[in-house]
Amino acid sequence: QQQVRQSPQSLTVWEGETAILNCSYEDSTFNYFPWYQQFPGEGPALLISIRSVSDKKEDGRFTIFFNKREKKLSLHITDSQPGDSATYFCAASASSGSWQLIFGSGTQLTVMP
Amino acid sequence: GGIITQTPKFLIGQEGQKLTLKCQQNFNHDTMYWYRQDSGKGLRLIYYSITENDLQKGDLSEGYDASREKKSSFSLTVTSAQKNEMAVFLCASTPLGGTSAETLYFGSGTRLTVL
Repeated sequence: QQQVRQSPQSLTVWEGETAILNCSYEDSTFNYFPWYQQFPGEGPALLISIRSVSDKKEDGRFTIFFNKREKKLSLHITDSQPGDSATYFCAASASSGSWQLIFGSGTQLTVMP
Repeated sequence: GGIITQTPKFLIGQEGQKLTLKCQQNFNHDTMYWYRQDSGKGLRLIYYSITENDLQKGDLSEGYDASREKKSSFSLTVTSAQKNEMAVFLCASTPLGGTSAETLYFGSGTRLTVL
């Protein structure tokens, strides 16, 4: 059972465009949603996160939009740069303790110069 | 700052072989994790250790053993490698309490190939 789903599996945008990565979940008790960024040959690193009490979280060019009713969230990367090319994982958990985190399968983003 | 060091970076084994992956962290974090990353399947938790003398199974523990030798090190053993198995094994760590415990710090992984 896949509790956290991501789409698309891969995405290509041009430099300067906005990339939109989607994530949905099934468990209504999930209340913490981090996004991790992974470059080839490296481990994932926390990019940005949001809690279910908020509907938006912004950090520079990266913004999470959260829709609790529809159990959906999206990561928007504005003014995409070639250096943003990476795999992005959405994750979710219902309580403290990172061992509770459920990861999605990832979206591979390519930004063309 | 700190770092998580995983050894080896690449591991090639034979079917049925017992293989050990090692992880060291200098964050002084209490909790350590082993994840498996398969192409198109995200990260799945194999084992974790909340504190130095603790060991917990994750969703993917079958076929693996783990050992927390000391606070800074956590090893994973593939008990019998499966032919054509190919995956990246990621070690991670977090502090134990508070919101900082929510952020996983990952190593760069061990890529396993079984011939």
